[in-house]
Amino acid sequence: EVQLLESGGGLVQPGGSLRLSCAASGFTFSSYAMSWVRQAPGKGLEWVSTITGSGDTTYYADSVKGRFTISRDNSKNTVYLQMNSLRAEDTAVYYCAKDDNGSPYYMDVWGRGTTVTVSS
Amino acid sequence: SYVLTQPPSVSVAPGQTARITCGGNNIGSKSVHWYQQKPGQAPVVVVYDDSDRPSGIPERFSGSNSGNTATLTISRVEAGDEADYYCQVWDSSGGHVVFGGGTKVIVL
Repeated sequence: EVQLLESGGGLVQPGGSLRLSCAASGFTFSSYAMSWVRQAPGKGLEWVSTITGSGDTTYYADSVKGRFTISRDNSKNTVYLQMNSLRAEDTAVYYCAKDDNGSPYYMDVWGRGTTVTVSS
Repeated sequence: SYVLTQPPSVSVAPGQTARITCGGNNIGSKSVHWYQQKPGQAPVVVVYDDSDRPSGIPERFSGSNSGNTATLTISRVEAGDEADYYCQVWDSSGGHVVFGGGTKVIVL
């Protein structure tokens, strides 16, 4: 069974940093792109970032470019999201999602999400 | 950047047909994917590549895409279909995944 388990969320002050992790199982991890999608309270889905299966190409939403970094360790079946210079508007549930193939396309499996709250 | 436009809500009586639109510039040239999200749950893909259904998704869910509008159709609507629905494309020119704003389906 394909599973994604996010961790690392929590409360952080504005300007602070947080690293999210997503542990994957049940599929050949290195063959698939992985994405982070967030959802602010009461709002819709917002794509954050995607990394290809090989890890050689990354994509970012304009709202996080230069502040967030996506990476993956294919030996650990884990994808990460390093979040720096956090703002109140980054408060959201962050979902990890598996893409359908090695490059960005659509997300066929989602984790349950981890909550990030940016507040003083 | 590429923009997808969805109506905020669609209301439908049980047993009837719900149609959710997703508008975008020449969206017919892109592959559109649809997600269902129920309160407190992660999204689930219900249609991908305009009109394909993942295994386990009822045949009542179907999709089409042409011109500037993609449509998710839910036939014989049930109370359990009440949820938020999002369309999504990959904008290769911008290197961005794009979601529509979401449509809340209300079963009367």
